[in-house]
Amino acid sequence: RKEVEQDPGPFNVPEGATVAFNCTYSNSASQSFFWYRQDCRKEPKLLMSVYSSGNEDGRFTAQLNRASQYISLLIRDSKLSDSATYLCVLGEAAGNKLTFGGGTRVLVKP
Amino acid sequence: DADVTQTPRNRITKTGKRIMLECSQTKGHDRMYWYRQDPGLGLRLIYYSFDVKDINKGEISDGYSVSRQAQAKFSLSLESAIPNQTALYFCATSDLRSDTQYFGPGTRLTVL
Repeated sequence: RKEVEQDPGPFNVPEGATVAFNCTYSNSASQSFFWYRQDCRKEPKLLMSVYSSGNEDGRFTAQLNRASQYISLLIRDSKLSDSATYLCVLGEAAGNKLTFGGGTRVLVKP
Repeated sequence: DADVTQTPRNRITKTGKRIMLECSQTKGHDRMYWYRQDPGLGLRLIYYSFDVKDINKGEISDGYSVSRQAQAKFSLSLESAIPNQTALYFCATSDLRSDTQYFGPGTRLTVL
């Protein structure tokens, strides 16, 4: 079983709609959680950290469910510019080592 | 100017050749990392370094070596390239106080 599993998609989303997707992880000792965004053939960039209480950044909402070992990302009022691959990323307790999921591709269409 | 740069951006080479990929950063971070990305797979850690005198193997270090020449420079070498090392390679940096990693633009390597 992969440490971090994501639905590869693509999620085809009408502009203005809401899309949500999850990421499951197997290492219960993971301490930090992130969503990174990666545009085609570009470098990953941090979208947001995911806290136990959940957090929101504009149209993006992230949730963490430690009991079921998954994190989620919800995008409201999708924009064409939200089209990208979203990487679920877990951090170890120490050492700054990150484990990446394979990514969920989102395509926002007019 | 970009904070994390990688050279070359693209490279085509032949099986058996020695290749060096270079990474430089102006962020002043102590920690540097090399990853490879294959289609449909997540980024996988090759090597990482927490300071100039520290080198650690990652998940997939076989066939690779690294050198941390200075705080700002971390290079990745393929001593004898093979076709399954064809991938997109990313360098990343982070500082001691945060888990956030900052990535370079990537090097697309093709081994024929």
